[in-house]
Amino acid sequence: GQNIDQPTEMTATEGAIVQINCTYQTSGFNGLFWYQQHAGEAPTFLSYNVLDGLEEKGRFSSFLSRSKGYSYLLLKELQMKDSASYLCAVVDSNYQLIWGAGTKLIIKP
Amino acid sequence: DTAVSQTPKYLVTQMGNDKSIKCEQNLGHDTMYWYKQDSKKFLKIMFSYNNKELIINETVPNRFSPKSPDKAHLNLHINSLELGDSAVYFCASSPASDAGTNTGELFFGEGSRLTVL
Repeated sequence: GQNIDQPTEMTATEGAIVQINCTYQTSGFNGLFWYQQHAGEAPTFLSYNVLDGLEEKGRFSSFLSRSKGYSYLLLKELQMKDSASYLCAVVDSNYQLIWGAGTKLIIKP
Repeated sequence: DTAVSQTPKYLVTQMGNDKSIKCEQNLGHDTMYWYKQDSKKFLKIMFSYNNKELIINETVPNRFSPKSPDKAHLNLHINSLELGDSAVYFCASSPASDAGTNTGELFFGEGSRLTVL
């Protein structure tokens, strides 16, 4: 079967750094997405990785290791508005998106 | 301008009723989708559709049917609603030219929260 694993919930402090991990087991791989979803709102695109390595975009970075079936999302200089769920999604060999259940990130002052 | 818009945002109805959720995108995208997000927050694909191809997730009951009057619209019609249909339904679009190809960013609507009593 196909599986995406992320921690259910994480807590971090405003101004700190947090890393959200995602491991996947899918039939093939054609890229990995990270989306942010605030409570009661739609998911919004954060990043897309298809090659190994780190992609940096402002305070957010995303890393991929295809050989390990592993990605992480790194959030720096955390702000209260970063409190949200972070969804990992993998594109499989049939170009279908397989979604994780998301990691709820709680930011404390 | 809202890129992907869905109506209604909230829908409360009785078991057995038939209801529709409308979706429109003004991004000029070729492919549109319907997702269901349940209480456990998993996003599950229901349909992906462009003007050439409809792909149906085989786990979706045939009480659910997509209707696309044109490229910019993909409505979701649900017959004989059941309690388990209560969820948030998201419409999304992408510039992918093939309904089965997910290599592009998805743009989501704001969601329609359906509650079946």
